[in-house]
Amino acid sequence: NAGVTQTPKFRILKIGQSMTLQCTQDMNHNYMYWYRQDPGMGLKLIYYSVGAGITDKGEVPNGYNVSRSTTEDFPLRLELAAPSQTSVYFCASSRTGSTNEKLFFGSGTQLSVL
Amino acid sequence: GESVGLHLPTLSVQEGDNSIINCAYSNSASDYFIWYKQESGKGPQFIIDIRSNMDKRQGQRVTVLLNKTVKHLSLQIAATQPGDSAVYFCAEKEGAGGGNKLTFGTGTQLKVEL
Repeated sequence: NAGVTQTPKFRILKIGQSMTLQCTQDMNHNYMYWYRQDPGMGLKLIYYSVGAGITDKGEVPNGYNVSRSTTEDFPLRLELAAPSQTSVYFCASSRTGSTNEKLFFGSGTQLSVL
Repeated sequence: GESVGLHLPTLSVQEGDNSIINCAYSNSASDYFIWYKQESGKGPQFIIDIRSNMDKRQGQRVTVLLNKTVKHLSLQIAATQPGDSAVYFCAEKEGAGGGNKLTFGTGTQLKVEL
């Protein structure tokens, strides 16, 4: 199993450009998440999904959009990139939302907005 | 709002020594705690977890201690090895349901000196 796969690994955007960060998992997990990690900081939740067709905001959703048309895929969309969105983005998944359910993380996408 | 934070940003230890990484949390309603290891260029990886009804849990070479009285969590790594060099995050969760939404601390860089 590949687990959680994110693409691209690196990207540089100009202010105002848009892009989609891709995330796919092959573990048939119901829950998927997008986090951002700023330098020297912990991860902050952007959006999450409890299943196909269902998404909800996390702690820092402004400037982002998500969709969940299939169980496997959970893309994150940046419509008008801003320097404040320079960060490392991690996608994660879990089988359920139960308290002790483990999260599995992808290897991240490093995004710079210049 | 509630937060989870770490006392020390960087910890240097000699190979073979024991490491202790500390974490303070402020949400007294948190009932589940996790330690993650993040190696350079990779996503966080689950190490060990503990529920609030426990004060100690042991894994392979790792032990997590929870002191609810002072809202303190620690990760002990026995016989630290070079492969243990990474950033370690504590994370906490309050209650069940609503997705596996975790609050992460800022991280401690562990450096193992040969």
